[in-house]
Amino acid sequence: DTGVSQDPRHKITKRGQNVTFRCDPISEHNRLYWYRQTLGQGPEFLTYFQNEAQLEKSRLLSDRFSAERPKGSFSTLEIQRTEQGDSAMYLCASSLFKLGSYNEQFFGPGTRLTVL
Amino acid sequence: GQQLNQSPQSMFIQEGEDVSMNCTSSSIFNTWLWYKQDPGEGPVLLIALYKAGELTSNGRLTAQFGITRKDSFLNISASIPSDVGIYFCAGSRAGGTSYGKLTFGQGTILTVHP
Repeated sequence: DTGVSQDPRHKITKRGQNVTFRCDPISEHNRLYWYRQTLGQGPEFLTYFQNEAQLEKSRLLSDRFSAERPKGSFSTLEIQRTEQGDSAMYLCASSLFKLGSYNEQFFGPGTRLTVL
Repeated sequence: GQQLNQSPQSMFIQEGEDVSMNCTSSSIFNTWLWYKQDPGEGPVLLIALYKAGELTSNGRLTAQFGITRKDSFLNISASIPSDVGIYFCAGSRAGGTSYGKLTFGQGTILTVHP
């Protein structure tokens, strides 16, 4: 399978616990994006990387959220001290960016987080 | 928050009917994308549009990038049961660090009755 993969697919945690999600992009893609999707809404942008550099973070990304892409390949998204409002689907996407190219982002299956 | 207005919110149609949905924005976008999402899965890219006025087809799907760069529509012809799902429009702006992110509409829920 050469698509975007995410792990785990589902996570149930208690309020106050920390959680970490992993995303493996399509192998030749240099850009990696994180989005959050709540029920009945479209995905909302959180942050994105070009190679290992984090280029933009949304104001939605509070101080409890941190994302890394240390070697420019896979990425992790950590949420510290989870709150019930963090319950959502966390989606990862990747794209191949070249100057003058198009921004076709391909999504993974998502990680469904439930905070009790 | 989201800045794309997508309509209709939901559609109930008979198999074989054509479907049309659209997306409008108060801001200009330089790329429009249409995705389909099944329950519990990530969005799957259907069609990408890059030039104002562009009309692009992918099988029974046809999408257009509005001349003003502030709207797009998606048509599905001769619907079949597997067309059921949620359809999202998404836009990407030109320039600066905003180039990377996509802004999504609220989605159109499509139900197809056999």
